[in-house]
Amino acid sequence: DGGITQSPKYLFRKEGQNVTLSCEQNLNHDAMYWYRQDPGQGLRLIYYSQIVNDFQKGDIAEGYSVSREKKESFPLTVTSAQKNPTAFYLCASRQDATPYSAQPQHFGDGTRLSIL
Amino acid sequence: AQSVTQLGSHVSVSEGALVLLRCNYSSSVPPYLFWYVQYPNQGLQLLLKYTSAATLVKGINGFEAEFKKSETSFHLTKPSAHMSDAAEYFCAVSEPNNDMRFGAGTRLTVKP
Repeated sequence: DGGITQSPKYLFRKEGQNVTLSCEQNLNHDAMYWYRQDPGQGLRLIYYSQIVNDFQKGDIAEGYSVSREKKESFPLTVTSAQKNPTAFYLCASRQDATPYSAQPQHFGDGTRLSIL
Repeated sequence: AQSVTQLGSHVSVSEGALVLLRCNYSSSVPPYLFWYVQYPNQGLQLLLKYTSAATLVKGINGFEAEFKKSETSFHLTKPSAHMSDAAEYFCAVSEPNNDMRFGAGTRLTVKP
């Protein structure tokens, strides 16, 4: 089945540690996104990528980094500079990269990150 | 810039009652509008989308939404709530410069 796979489902970070969240899609979609979800705040965009080897900062990129070396993969690193990383992280993709589009985003099942 | 406002962070209905979740948007261009549902510890699943083909849009699980340009609204309804409808619902708008913007979400509780 085509879809978006996020791993791990649960992740724990120690102080001063960088952690990487995996996102893989087999939908052949051009655009990929990372969102952070906190209770009562909806989804906030961290980074997005419209094409391989290119990505743009979203609203809350500080303390995060990404790469897009392959079309199907868009890993997110939560660095030690992110002082409040506890949240639910969602990866999404969309078929084409045109920002203004009738095409919906498709979502993975998320990774829940907590501080040890 | 476009934005989305969902009125009511929590909505509670009895099983069998009408479900009405409100969404208003601001837009300088004809909008593309979406409703998503999220069950606990899962990702978002598309319920329906408006793309200007018809103002009344039918989606999955018996939900539908009506686009009203004069009211800048895209409210989500379902005639009869089921226990399985309990979840969080997000309205979203596609923006020319910033891709997709999501509302803050409405948590639906269904009482037996």
